[in-house]
Amino acid sequence: GAGVSQTPSNKVTEKGKYVELRCDPISGHTALYWYRQSLGQGPEFLIYFQGTGAADDSGLPNDRFFAVRPEGSVSTLKIQRTERGDSAVYLCASSNLRGSKYTEAFFGQGTRLTVV
Amino acid sequence: DAKTTQPNSMESNEEEPVHLPCNHSTISGTDYIHWYRQLPSQGPEYVIHGLTSNVNNRMASLAIAEDRKSSTLILHRATLRDAAVYYCILRDTIGGTYKYIFGTGTRLKVLA
Repeated sequence: GAGVSQTPSNKVTEKGKYVELRCDPISGHTALYWYRQSLGQGPEFLIYFQGTGAADDSGLPNDRFFAVRPEGSVSTLKIQRTERGDSAVYLCASSNLRGSKYTEAFFGQGTRLTVV
Repeated sequence: DAKTTQPNSMESNEEEPVHLPCNHSTISGTDYIHWYRQLPSQGPEYVIHGLTSNVNNRMASLAIAEDRKSSTLILHRATLRDAAVYYCILRDTIGGTYKYIFGTGTRLKVLA
């Protein structure tokens, strides 16, 4: 079946602009995660959704970053007034409930954001 | 969040077993030990996870120390396709906190 899909795969934007990154999780998966990964580093947690609500947004670096998941499936990560330091690969993952536990997370290929 | 410590890099010859160590001395009783790997230009991929007992699946085996302060991911016969960064992660499930906290992982190089 289809995996986690992220669009666009690459995005180049000018400093100060607004960008939206989209994540289509695996159908039926209730949990959705956003991470960002800089070169040579492990993925850094940003936010985690259970259904439509953000269960943990402790990783969002500042108020320029915001994410939504209005219908409990597709999610959009929004970055306002982009800075060169926001350049990274943004990864999305989803997982599902099996009994009372979540299954393993399935990651998308990521969106490479470059702020020039 | 409980942390893990892994070597930065390891090398293995093709078709030989590989043992990737991970230390997690501050692990709590409710933390599961997860392993993911990331191939070049890909998102992380699930490998295996366990709580207390050793685990086997088609990809690898996970050996967990009796005190749970360390674990070892075992690839029984490394192939060139196993060259990746391997992450050992503790996943907390108390209070609905299911996030993964990644470290810098171990970069595995497989020599032909």
